[in-house]
Amino acid sequence: KQEVTQIPAALSVPEGENLVLNCSFTDSAIYNLQWFRQDPGKGLTSLLLIQSSQREQTSGRLNASLDKSSGRSTLYIAASQPGDSATYLCAVDNYGQNFVFGPGTRLSVLP
Amino acid sequence: SAVISQKPSRDICQRGTSLTIQCQVDSQVTMMFWYRQQPGQSLTLIATANQGSEATYESGFVIDKFPISRPNLTFSTLTVSNMSPEDSSIYLCSVDGSSTGNYGYTFGSGTRLTVV
Repeated sequence: KQEVTQIPAALSVPEGENLVLNCSFTDSAIYNLQWFRQDPGKGLTSLLLIQSSQREQTSGRLNASLDKSSGRSTLYIAASQPGDSATYLCAVDNYGQNFVFGPGTRLSVLP
Repeated sequence: SAVISQKPSRDICQRGTSLTIQCQVDSQVTMMFWYRQQPGQSLTLIATANQGSEATYESGFVIDKFPISRPNLTFSTLTVSNMSPEDSSIYLCSVDGSSTGNYGYTFGSGTRLTVV
């Protein structure tokens, strides 16, 4: 059974810092991995999707990498802004299984 | 990717009542998914809804408590029945992109339910 963990659980940084969020999964037989952002009390916004054959994806200040063999993904946020404050969730799509979410990293970017 | 309209966005309900949450998708999709997110927790899948058949429920969730309708390929409802304060959560619907030739999952904006 796939299990997804995220480190750290919470992170507080000053504005302008570059930061890395980590996601680990136990079963490397994934179809794709997706990073989401969730604002308090709201739904999920998809940030980046990495297919199993890809190593990384970039969108603006965000870069996500995937190492299937080691069961890890990282989300890199460059030049963080207060508007980046949210919970970041990674989720893996497994062959024949449900979409499995990590517990999330709660990010606060201080002005 | 698909666009999902979910409503209501939030509600405060009395114990013992029921609330129906609606999700409308702007394209036809084979499967729709319903999730629950309890306070401070990650998302847990409640059930998968296919058009024309009974929904498939995950362990710990039953049809009597969370009846689901899927009358066509663009619409689904989830009802939270006989509510108690423990049902206070965010409920989200989701679709996967495979029906529209895309990858990944898209989520509705969520329904924040408080039961008093």
